[in-house]
Amino acid sequence: DGGITQSPKYLFRKEGQNVTLSCEQNLNHDAMYWYRQDPGQGLRLIYYSQIVNDFQKGDIAEGYSVSREKKESFPLTVTSAQKNPTAFYLCASSLTTSKIETQYFGPGTRLLVL
Amino acid sequence: GNSVTQMEGPVTLSEEAFLTINCTYTATGYPSLFWYVQYPGEGLQLLLKATKADDKGSNKGFEATYRKETTSFHLEKGSVQVSDSAVYFCALSERETNAGKSTFGDGTTLTVKP
Repeated sequence: DGGITQSPKYLFRKEGQNVTLSCEQNLNHDAMYWYRQDPGQGLRLIYYSQIVNDFQKGDIAEGYSVSREKKESFPLTVTSAQKNPTAFYLCASSLTTSKIETQYFGPGTRLLVL
Repeated sequence: GNSVTQMEGPVTLSEEAFLTINCTYTATGYPSLFWYVQYPGEGLQLLLKATKADDKGSNKGFEATYRKETTSFHLEKGSVQVSDSAVYFCALSERETNAGKSTFGDGTTLTVKP
């Protein structure tokens, strides 16, 4: 079955620590996205990638970094510069960045600060 | 910039009641419109979409019509079930002019009681 997987389901971060969230898709999609979801709020775009080896900042990129070395993988690193990282993180992909394309979402990773 | 405004929740209905969740948008161009649904602890799933004015998206008894004149995309269902309890997000995508970015509403929580 094709889809998007995210791991881990829960992640705990200590002060000053960088952590990496995994996102893998086997849908052969060109575009991938990372969103942050806070309680009672919509999704805010962190980073997106339209194609391998290319990515752009979204609306709230400060304190985060990404890479896109393979088509199927788009890991997100939450750095120590992100002062309020506790949130639910969602990865998504779409065939292209055309406006008619549906985004397919992973199950999410919940990041908590110790 | 683009924005999506959804009816505030939470919404609580009895089984078999009629559902309407209002959604209006502001966009600089000619967006595609989406409704996504999120079940507890999961990622978002596409419920329905419409890519041009007067299009009606439909799925699982839910419907929404793209109204350009009122910039709206209201979600309706004639008879809700307990299994419809979830958070519903209205979203727009205008990637030709805003590459890679979708804009989401804040979500409306629906609870259906037996």
